[in-house]
Amino acid sequence: GQNIDQPTEMTATEGAIVQINCTYQTSGFNGLFWYQQHAGEAPTFLSYNVLDGLEEKGRFSSFLSRSKGYSYLLLKELQMKDSASYLCAVGAQKLVFGQGTRLTINP
Amino acid sequence: ETGVTQSPTHLIKTRGQQVTLRCSSQSGHNTVSWYQQALGQGPQFIFQYYREEENGRGNFPPRFSGLQFPNYSSELNVNALELDDSALYLCASSPRQGDNSPLHFGNGTRLTVT
Repeated sequence: GQNIDQPTEMTATEGAIVQINCTYQTSGFNGLFWYQQHAGEAPTFLSYNVLDGLEEKGRFSSFLSRSKGYSYLLLKELQMKDSASYLCAVGAQKLVFGQGTRLTINP
Repeated sequence: ETGVTQSPTHLIKTRGQQVTLRCSSQSGHNTVSWYQQALGQGPQFIFQYYREEENGRGNFPPRFSGLQFPNYSSELNVNALELDDSALYLCASSPRQGDNSPLHFGNGTRLTVT
């Protein structure tokens, strides 16, 4: 089976940096995705990691350690619009999602 | 480029009824997946359709069924609705079956069962 854990809620301040962690246990591994989901909207793709290391894309970066079953999403220069849920998911197209981390940005 | 569109956006049904949800995949995408997202939870994989056939299924009972049409659009049908079926139902399409291309999600159908 597959199990994914991420914190339920996090709070950060506008302009700061926040790291959202995700740990997973899978019987096989095809890659790890991060999605952003604003309330009432569709999840949108942020990043994909299949090899160990850091992938940087503008203000967002994602890290993967396959040996540790661990990933994190790093958000820099936080903006109010970054308030959303962040979903960690493993698999290929038949994704297994964590419960999501609701991030609140305060001014 | 047209994204993934779902209809209706909201729906209220009574326990025991049947419901059909519809999805048009993004242009050029031949694979469609359906997910159920309960409030405060991450999406759960229901099933995937490729070339008009079911191609993988999650832990959902047979009263959850689907179809894919030659134009790659899809339907999700749920029979004998239960209160726990209340959720956001998300459709996602991808350009190719089996690879690691990101899923493109629609805005979902919010189903309430009373």
